[in-house]
Amino acid sequence: GDSVTQMEGPVTLSEEAFLTINCTYTATGYPSLFWYVQYPGEGLQLLLKATKADDKGSNKGFEATYRKETTSFHLEKGSVQVSDSAVYFCALSHTGGFKTIFGAGTRLFVKA
Amino acid sequence: NAGVTQTPKFQVLKTGQSMTLQCAQDMNHNSMYWYRQDPGMGLRLIYYSASEGTTDKGEVPNGYNVSRLNKREFSLRLESAAPSQTSVYFCASSGLERGEQYFGPGTRLTVT
Repeated sequence: GDSVTQMEGPVTLSEEAFLTINCTYTATGYPSLFWYVQYPGEGLQLLLKATKADDKGSNKGFEATYRKETTSFHLEKGSVQVSDSAVYFCALSHTGGFKTIFGAGTRLFVKA
Repeated sequence: NAGVTQTPKFQVLKTGQSMTLQCAQDMNHNSMYWYRQDPGMGLRLIYYSASEGTTDKGEVPNGYNVSRLNKREFSLRLESAAPSQTSVYFCASSGLERGEQYFGPGTRLTVT
């Protein structure tokens, strides 16, 4: 069945450092891919998405590119801030499907 | 526009007690979901409702029941709570792009 694998955390960075959180997936066909962010004590929020191969999703300085050949959707940000400290979830779903598959989440700590 | 709301925010139950978690959305979404989030386990789907009048089991439905009361509301019931149901419960909804989900703030439930 479909699955999403994320790098284990926590990831600890200093402010203004470059961020990469790896995400790979296993799925039949061509799923849509998503990154969600969860701040402490809150629900998940959609951060960005990509619906087909080579699409780049971007939002709030974060980017991720849908790589069909490597089945990956790595999250990147050029310069992190303390306010980016949160848990990040990679996810996939199929058009017409009712279930979204979430990765286990990667916790990010950013130090001032 | 409140998005997805959940009540209560916190609840403590004794083993064997029952309760209903309430969820409502004001985005006119057809699909609604209940998840539980446990440390190290990511998000697990309990039940979902593809549209008003339908409900289906997710990954971990045992010990729970749901009701899709109308298009806006989707409730989760624990008939006889067990300590294994201690968790944070999230309700979510989605429109045509089902992977693009909107989450409520969560209910933190402790069963003693």
